[in-house]
Amino acid sequence: SQKIEQNSEALNIQEGKTATLTCNYTNYSPAYLQWYRQDPGRGPVFLLLIRENEKEKRKERLKVTFDTTLKQSLFHITASQPADSATYLCALGYSSASKIIFGSGTRLSIRP
Amino acid sequence: EPEVTQTPSHQVTQMGQEVILRCVPISNHLYFYWYRQILGQKVEFLVSFYNNEISEKSEIFDDQFSVERPDGSNFTLKIRSTKLEDSAMYFCASSDPKEQYFGPGTRLTVT
Repeated sequence: SQKIEQNSEALNIQEGKTATLTCNYTNYSPAYLQWYRQDPGRGPVFLLLIRENEKEKRKERLKVTFDTTLKQSLFHITASQPADSATYLCALGYSSASKIIFGSGTRLSIRP
Repeated sequence: EPEVTQTPSHQVTQMGQEVILRCVPISNHLYFYWYRQILGQKVEFLVSFYNNEISEKSEIFDDQFSVERPDGSNFTLKIRSTKLEDSAMYFCASSDPKEQYFGPGTRLTVT
């Protein structure tokens, strides 16, 4: 079955730096990959979706890359702020409207 | 901005009781989902629903679970006879069709 690994359970960085989170998967490549933010006790909030034929996607301070050869997606937050502190989840989808499979998440802390 | 809503936010029930969790998906979405997250664990898929029928379900979604779209706006998850291990956050999501938007969740506590 598909296995998804998100680099570390927790990541602490200084405000203003770029945070880089990693999502690796095994086996077959997904049709698309989504990144979500989750705050404690809340539902996942959709951030970005990248398709298998796309290399990079950007939205404001967020950037996602997708390398199907490495079976990896990188998620970057530039000019990080304490308000960016949350758990970030990657999720893989294999066909339109299918279920998505979540990784266990990386808890990001931005210190002032 | 349109959003998925869920009620109640917290439900406490006794083992063996039936619960119904309610969701109002985003109005122009056609695909609906339920996921759950046990405390400290990953978000897990339960079931997807399209065109008034289940399109996919996981091993977790056994005969104790059912879903329904009783009218044009609500989407419900019923657990017939709750067990202690059903305690979790339950999230409803909707999509059209790729990006899935999640509700705030219902925290179900089974005692």
